[in-house]
Amino acid sequence: EAGVAQSPRYKIIEKRQSVAFWCNPISGHATLYWYQQILGQGPKLLIQFQNNGVVDDSQLPKDRFSAERLKGVDSTLKIQPAKLEDSAVYLCASSDRTSGSEQFFGPGTRLTVL
Amino acid sequence: AQSVSQHNHHVILSEAASLELGCNYSYGGTVNLFWYVQYPGQHLQLLLKYFSGDPLVKGIKGFEAEFIKSKFSFNLRKPSVQWSDTAEYFCAFRSNDYKLSFGAGTTVTVRA
Repeated sequence: EAGVAQSPRYKIIEKRQSVAFWCNPISGHATLYWYQQILGQGPKLLIQFQNNGVVDDSQLPKDRFSAERLKGVDSTLKIQPAKLEDSAVYLCASSDRTSGSEQFFGPGTRLTVL
Repeated sequence: AQSVSQHNHHVILSEAASLELGCNYSYGGTVNLFWYVQYPGQHLQLLLKYFSGDPLVKGIKGFEAEFIKSKFSFNLRKPSVQWSDTAEYFCAFRSNDYKLSFGAGTTVTVRA
């Protein structure tokens, strides 16, 4: 079984620029999650999708972050404009049910904002 | 607010030593508890989980954890570590809203 794929693996941008991350979950997994992991902290949930609908985006900074999962498969997370404090690893995870299932994580995208 | 605290930021020990990582959560209701591990250069993967039943759960690679409800704790243990156990370990719990809340992580360095 192929794992969760993410790209790019690394991205360096200047503040106020825009950036987008892509995630392809495990085939058949209806639930997709985006997490932000700042150095020295654990992952923090940004947004959760069930198929192509948003289940929880309470911790997503909506003034600059957006995410979509138009066809209920791949997802894109965008930051526009980026700030220095957005430097982090952005993790994508998927699971096959919204409750009681293990979340499988991708390798993450390491973003550095200069 | 619900939260997870991990007692140690960095643990250094020698091969064959015993390991115990502390984890406490703050939530009054029913929880599901997890330990995730991230080996150098690899992605997060599940080590073990507790949903219900026997509070002593066994995971992969010889790890186990004990859920003590009265102490709101879910400590991770391994009797004899190997160099390959060098990694970052995250405790996490899921409450009724199915959101995973992670601790800050503990870096474990095993010296050969």
